[in-house]
Amino acid sequence: GQNIDQPTEMTATEGAIVQINCTYQTSGFNGLFWYQQHAGEAPTFLSYNVLDGLEEKGRFSSFLSRSKGYSYLLLKELQMKDSASYLCAVRDSNYQLIWGAGTKLIIKP
Amino acid sequence: NAGVTQTPKFRVLKTGQSMTLLCAQDMNHEYMYWYRQDPGMGLRLIHYSVGEGTTAKGEVPDGYNVSRLNKREFSLRLESAAPSQTSVYFCASSYRDDTGELFFGEGSRLTVL
Repeated sequence: GQNIDQPTEMTATEGAIVQINCTYQTSGFNGLFWYQQHAGEAPTFLSYNVLDGLEEKGRFSSFLSRSKGYSYLLLKELQMKDSASYLCAVRDSNYQLIWGAGTKLIIKP
Repeated sequence: NAGVTQTPKFRVLKTGQSMTLLCAQDMNHEYMYWYRQDPGMGLRLIHYSVGEGTTAKGEVPDGYNVSRLNKREFSLRLESAAPSQTSVYFCASSYRDDTGELFFGEGSRLTVL
């Protein structure tokens, strides 16, 4: 079966750095996505990785290792508004998105 | 630019009742999707459309019907609602390109009693 694993919940301090991991086992691979979802709102796109390595976009970076079936989302200089769920999704060989259950990130002052 | 608009935002149904969720996007996207989101689970694809007049089944299609009315609009119908269909429903759309970034509507919270 296809599976995306990410921690259920993480806690971090304002101003700090946090890394949210995602491991996947899917039928083929055609890209990995990270989305942010604030409580009661729609998911919004953060990043897309299809090749190994690090993609940096402001305070957010996303890393991919296809050989290890592993990705992480790195959030720097955490702000209270970063409190949200972070969803990892992998596009499989049929170009269908397989979603993880999400990681709820709690930021404390 | 409104993006992706869903109606209604909230609805309470009794078991066996029917209802239609409407989704419209103004970004000229070819692809449109209906997902459901349940606590502790990832988003699950119900049905999707890759263009006007086309629809296809996703991961959890049973109990749902869809229509791609035109390029802008994609509807989801529950013919006979069941408590297991209590969920938050999201419509999304995307271009037909490699990144496939999805643009989501605000969601529709449906409760079936």
